[in-house]
Amino acid sequence: NAGVMQNPRHLVRRRGQEARLRCSPMKGHSHVYWYRQLPEEGLKFMVYLQKENIIDESGMPKERFSAEFPKEGPSILRIQQVVRGDSAAYFCASSPLSSRSSETQYFGPGTRLLVL
Amino acid sequence: AQTVTQSQPEMSVQEAETVTLSCTYDTSESDYYLFWYKQPPSRQMILVIRQEAYKQQNATENRFSVNFQKAAKSFSLKISDSQLGDAAMYFCAYRGGAGGTSYGKLTFGQGTILTVHP
Repeated sequence: NAGVMQNPRHLVRRRGQEARLRCSPMKGHSHVYWYRQLPEEGLKFMVYLQKENIIDESGMPKERFSAEFPKEGPSILRIQQVVRGDSAAYFCASSPLSSRSSETQYFGPGTRLLVL
Repeated sequence: AQTVTQSQPEMSVQEAETVTLSCTYDTSESDYYLFWYKQPPSRQMILVIRQEAYKQQNATENRFSVNFQKAAKSFSLKISDSQLGDAAMYFCAYRGGAGGTSYGKLTFGQGTILTVHP
């Protein structure tokens, strides 16, 4: 069973460009979570999605950031008009359909975004 | 809001020895889960162990065990027979149960860097 897949692993953007990060959850998982890790810090929650629904976006910046998890295809985290402060590692995690076992989140390898 | 505190920025241990990493948390919820994740230099987040708050028995996974003190809101990780491959950043994390305000999201501590000396 393949793990959580993220691509690209590394992404370089210039200020003002758009960054699009993709996440494919583990097979059978329908819950996706995005986290951001700034240098020398812990992970911070951004958004929690189920298929076609945003469940909790309390950690998302109000502007320039958006996320989706369509019925078909990967989850996408989009950052518009990137700034240097967006440079970070972005991790995606997934968990199974709701049950006690759904409480464990399994992480992808992360996307390292560098804004020049 | 829930908070997770790891008061040890760095710890070190000799190979084959035992080390304990500390974690405390603050919550008003009664149903929650606690986790330890490991982040090696590759930066991949790897689940080490989890504990359900409703379980009194401490979780154990091979050389890894926890000391869960619910009243004290303490959740420490003990690594026995430390190996060189255990060297990593370790994060303690909290997640609320279904119906709670923090359901779904993990709240992480600041992390503890563990060095293992041969």
